[in-house]
Amino acid sequence: GAGVSQTPSNKVTEKGKYVELRCDPISGHTALYWYRQSLGQGPEFLIYFQGTGAADDSGLPNDRFFAVRPEGSVSTLKIQRTERGDSAVYLCASSLWDRGLPGELFFGEGSRLTVL
Amino acid sequence: EDQVTQSPEALRLQEGESSSLNCSYTVSGLRGLFWYRQDPGKGPEFLFTLYSAGEEKEKERLKATLTKKESFLHITAPKPEDSATYLCAVQAGAGSGGKLIFGQGTELSVKP
Repeated sequence: GAGVSQTPSNKVTEKGKYVELRCDPISGHTALYWYRQSLGQGPEFLIYFQGTGAADDSGLPNDRFFAVRPEGSVSTLKIQRTERGDSAVYLCASSLWDRGLPGELFFGEGSRLTVL
Repeated sequence: EDQVTQSPEALRLQEGESSSLNCSYTVSGLRGLFWYRQDPGKGPEFLFTLYSAGEEKEKERLKATLTKKESFLHITAPKPEDSATYLCAVQAGAGSGGKLIFGQGTELSVKP
């Protein structure tokens, strides 16, 4: 596809359930990022990948959150034992690198997670 | 602790009324400052990257500037289609990799 694709666009789940959110980045982009955005706030960094490896996972809030990118393309964010406080929009982005910095980040439209 | 603060939180302008949005940052070694635009229900869309104090970049009615402590996004003669939330983000420190720290955004509304 032409842009970053995220599925599902909306997910409603019950407290304690397991959730997977998928991100399909722009073809050829080596870097992939997950952010979380609450209403009225800016995006909050969770994790970023260079290729298949998690280069920085310092933003994952606790061990209920885990992300993988097994083949260096599609990524899945996994949340175990969901809590009401996990409700937010989960944004995925991808980019190339330029001068040792992430270049333009291309964001998907996000997956809105609601935990009841 | 690295921090980004944007002001005002919300700004209402009449069409054609120029103004500026502010992004103040406290970081340990700025490597790049980024401006994004976000429409409701959408992901952020890239506008500019600034790398060093004194740098300026322009795109249509928008102009971004950078000093050692803050960045401004100047909007000249805005139109209703400029209405959006504008986000500022920084990358800080040699080991920060791909982590961007975002401000909370300024919600801009331009009335015809």
